[in-house]
Amino acid sequence: AQSVAQPEDQVNVAEGNPLTVKCTYSVSGNPYLFWYVQYPNRGLQFLLKYITGDNLVKGSYGFEAEFNKSQTSFHLKKPSALVSDSALYFCAVRDGGVSWGKLQFGAGTQVVVTP
Amino acid sequence: EAGVTQSPTHLIKTRGQQATLRCSPISGHTSVYWYQQALGLGLQFLLWYDEGEERNRGNFPPRFSGRQFPNYSSELNVNALELEDSALYLCASSGDRGRATNEKLFFGSGTQLSVL
Repeated sequence: AQSVAQPEDQVNVAEGNPLTVKCTYSVSGNPYLFWYVQYPNRGLQFLLKYITGDNLVKGSYGFEAEFNKSQTSFHLKKPSALVSDSALYFCAVRDGGVSWGKLQFGAGTQVVVTP
Repeated sequence: EAGVTQSPTHLIKTRGQQATLRCSPISGHTSVYWYQQALGLGLQFLLWYDEGEERNRGNFPPRFSGRQFPNYSSELNVNALELEDSALYLCASSGDRGRATNEKLFFGSGTQLSVL
C-alpha cells in the first residue's frame, strides 16, 4: 500500500530565509510525486511533480523539490521565502506500479512566513 | 478556459438526510476525483471516475457513492448524513486516460458541507 508522510504540522520561517517542507513516501513501484499548495478558501494548486529524470525538480513560484530515492523523500524547498508563500502545502504520491493507482495526499504542512 | 466548477458552494443538512454534490471537469478531461478535507485530517481520497466507470475507491462506507455522466461531469452522493461528514469536499479533474500516469490534477474550490 502506498503512503505519504509530512512530519511537520507547521513550519515557521522569516521572510527572506530558506523554506523547507518535508515529505517521505512509501510505494511498491516507481513513485510519481507531487506538491500542491492550498490558499485559504481555495482548492489546491499544482506546484511541481517528479516522474523520472533529474532528482531536482523546479516548479511554480520559485519552488523546487529534491527526490531522494534512498531516503524515500521528496522535500519542497524555496531559497528565499515570501509572506505570500504562507499557505497549506500537500505532498502527494501515486504508485506507478499499480494500475488505477490513486493519488494519495499527506496530511499537509501549514507554512507561516513572517515579515 | 473554465476551470473545475463545483456546486453548491455551501450545503447545510441535518443528520440522516442525503446530500448531492456536483462537479464539472475542465473541458476535455475524462477523469474526475473526489476528496474529503475534514478539519485536521488532510485530504482523504474518496472516489475516482474515468470514462463513466468507478476506477478506485477510498476507505469510506458505502453511503458515499457517486457517478460520472456521459459529459464527464460527476455527482457525489452522501446518504444518511452523520455529523462527522461535515467537511470540504473537493473535486479534481485530469486528462488521465485511465492509466496510472503522471497527470497533474486541477482542483475546484470545493463544496463546504455542514451537517447539523
